[in-house]
Amino acid sequence: QKEVEQNSGPLSVPEGAIASLNCTYSDRVSQSFFWYRQYSGKSPELIMSIYSNGDKEDGRFTAQLNKASQYVSLLIRDSQPSDSATYLCAVRRSGSARQLTFGSGTQLTVLP
Amino acid sequence: ETGVTQSPTHLIKTRGQQVTLRCSSQSGHNTVSWYQQALGQGPQFIFQYYREEENGRGNFPPRFSGLQFPNYSSELNVNALELDDSALYLCASSLDLGENTEAFFGQGTRLTVV
Repeated sequence: QKEVEQNSGPLSVPEGAIASLNCTYSDRVSQSFFWYRQYSGKSPELIMSIYSNGDKEDGRFTAQLNKASQYVSLLIRDSQPSDSATYLCAVRRSGSARQLTFGSGTQLTVLP
Repeated sequence: ETGVTQSPTHLIKTRGQQVTLRCSSQSGHNTVSWYQQALGQGPQFIFQYYREEENGRGNFPPRFSGLQFPNYSSELNVNALELDDSALYLCASSLDLGENTEAFFGQGTRLTVV
């Protein structure tokens, strides 16, 4: 079992719709959770971080965390073609090294 | 713009050669992590430097080594390059080792080994 799993997609949604991206993780001692957006040929860009159970909203983005179910999700409301990218879920465990463990990413396409 | 800069942006090397990649961390950040991202995969952790000391290492062989300098910039060195080392190498800068610290990536170095 991979430490961080994401549906690879591709996920296609029409412009204006809600895109839902999901991520599960295997290590219960995971503490911090991050969503990165990566455009083709570019480096990952941090868009959301979440540390406590529940929802966290930032503009059109909402991150949801459920530590009991070991599940984190990202909702993108009013999706735009510019949101088309690969979305990477990253998890940080507690411990001495603060490295991130990434999923393989979900490719999202927003259709005009 | 994250304030994290990497050089060079692209590099082509021959199998068996050595390469040095460089990273300047964001102002005020004392922690640098290096990741390797193969095509179609998520970034894989190579190692992390905190205040000039290696603070953790992923599952990479010893021919991957690094340094962090007093100004917190960092280098990644790879010896005896193999074809499978072809990837995007990413440097991430963090304020410190806090559990909720966010990590910001540079633009990456695309390494091609032929």
